[in-house]
Amino acid sequence: AQSVTQLGSHVSVSEGALVLLRCNYSSSVPPYLFWYVQYPNQGLQLLLKYTTGATLVKGINGFEAEFKKSETSFHLTKPSAHMSDAAEYFCAVRSRGGGGTSYGKLTFGQGTILTVHP
Amino acid sequence: DGGITQSPKYLFRKEGQNVTLSCEQNLNHDAMYWYRQDPGQGLRLIYYSQIVNDFQKGDIAEGYSVSREKKESFPLTVTSAQKNPTAFYLCASSRQGLLLEQYFGPGTRLTVT
Repeated sequence: AQSVTQLGSHVSVSEGALVLLRCNYSSSVPPYLFWYVQYPNQGLQLLLKYTTGATLVKGINGFEAEFKKSETSFHLTKPSAHMSDAAEYFCAVRSRGGGGTSYGKLTFGQGTILTVHP
Repeated sequence: DGGITQSPKYLFRKEGQNVTLSCEQNLNHDAMYWYRQDPGQGLRLIYYSQIVNDFQKGDIAEGYSVSREKKESFPLTVTSAQKNPTAFYLCASSRQGLLLEQYFGPGTRLTVT
């Protein structure tokens, strides 16, 4: 079974500082990887995804993530934090295997709450 | 605009009552999902459906039931058998295919007292 670990349930940065949110997965075969953002009392919005090809993936709002197979990681970064980035961020994985009961299922990490200070 | 709607946004019930949460999508997606979100636990899958009239249990299906009579609709019933029903419930949908992400509704916050 695959699993996702997000290091740090809370991350705090100053406005303009680098944002780094960590995600590691456990899977025998590298899965599809996703980052979602959730603002308070709202649904989740997709930031970016890695499926195949280039390992550095760019998403919305200036975020990007790099898939590192050797480290089983998919960390999310943004060079300069903005106040509007304050939210909860979820890393998720999806099995590459087709069919069966695991088809289409996402496994989510526990989330990281990002706080941005002025 | 295409999207997923969940109603109501906030729902209050007394313990021992069944309650049904609505989820409708007009994205023409085949697959639909229900998740439960609790603080610090991420999202946990309750039920999912890949096609009309078919659905499968997720990781925490006990105390919940669903139906999928129409492609657009996937209601979730929280029964009195669910021991701790107070939570934020999220509905999602996706097209069939291995590469496609899930789109989420705005959620329903259920409080049972």
